[in-house]
Amino acid sequence: QKEVEQNSGPLSVPEGAIASLNCTYSDRGSQSFFWYRQYSGKSPELIMSIYSNGDKEDGRFTAQLNKASQYVSLLIRDSQPSDSATYLCAVNDSNYQLIWGAGTKLIIKP
Amino acid sequence: DAGVIQSPRHEVTEMGQEVTLRCKPISGHDYLFWYRQTMMRGLELLIYFNNNVPIDDSGMPEDRFSAKMPNASFSTLKIQPSEPRDSAVYFCASNRRPGVNTGELFFGEGSRLTVL
Repeated sequence: QKEVEQNSGPLSVPEGAIASLNCTYSDRGSQSFFWYRQYSGKSPELIMSIYSNGDKEDGRFTAQLNKASQYVSLLIRDSQPSDSATYLCAVNDSNYQLIWGAGTKLIIKP
Repeated sequence: DAGVIQSPRHEVTEMGQEVTLRCKPISGHDYLFWYRQTMMRGLELLIYFNNNVPIDDSGMPEDRFSAKMPNASFSTLKIQPSEPRDSAVYFCASNRRPGVNTGELFFGEGSRLTVL
């Protein structure tokens, strides 16, 4: 059974600090990796995708991928209350099937 | 550009009734996905289509569920008869790039189903 694991949280971070969200996956042949943000009562929205080892930065967001250790992370710099949401990690496995984590609930405290 | 459009946004029905959920994908997207989300099970893929053809329906929970895509701009998910355990948010999503970009999905706002 291919799995994507995330800490369910909630993860509480003070406003202005760095929020660090982590995700591990079981299929070593996984090809591509995605972070979605889901506000309460809303649909998931893609915020970052990463396909190769290393860091990928987009504004306040940085995705980090380490295929050897089979983990992917999302860093949010200068966290804002509007970043409070559930963050879903999704991984394309070796068969291009998208496997979803259960999500980490992030709370940014003013 | 219009996003993925789903209807109804909310549906409350009684056990045993038929439920039909509708989805219009983004124009030009040739992949369409139906997901179900609950607190207990998270996001579950029910079925997906490529160019209107069902490719993988292994996530459809049982014969009470059926899905169709008669043309590139419309899909339905039907539950008949509905049961209380079907209560969930049903999302439709679409994209147009296969392969490594398969995970870049555009979601509709969802249909929240409550079966009493």
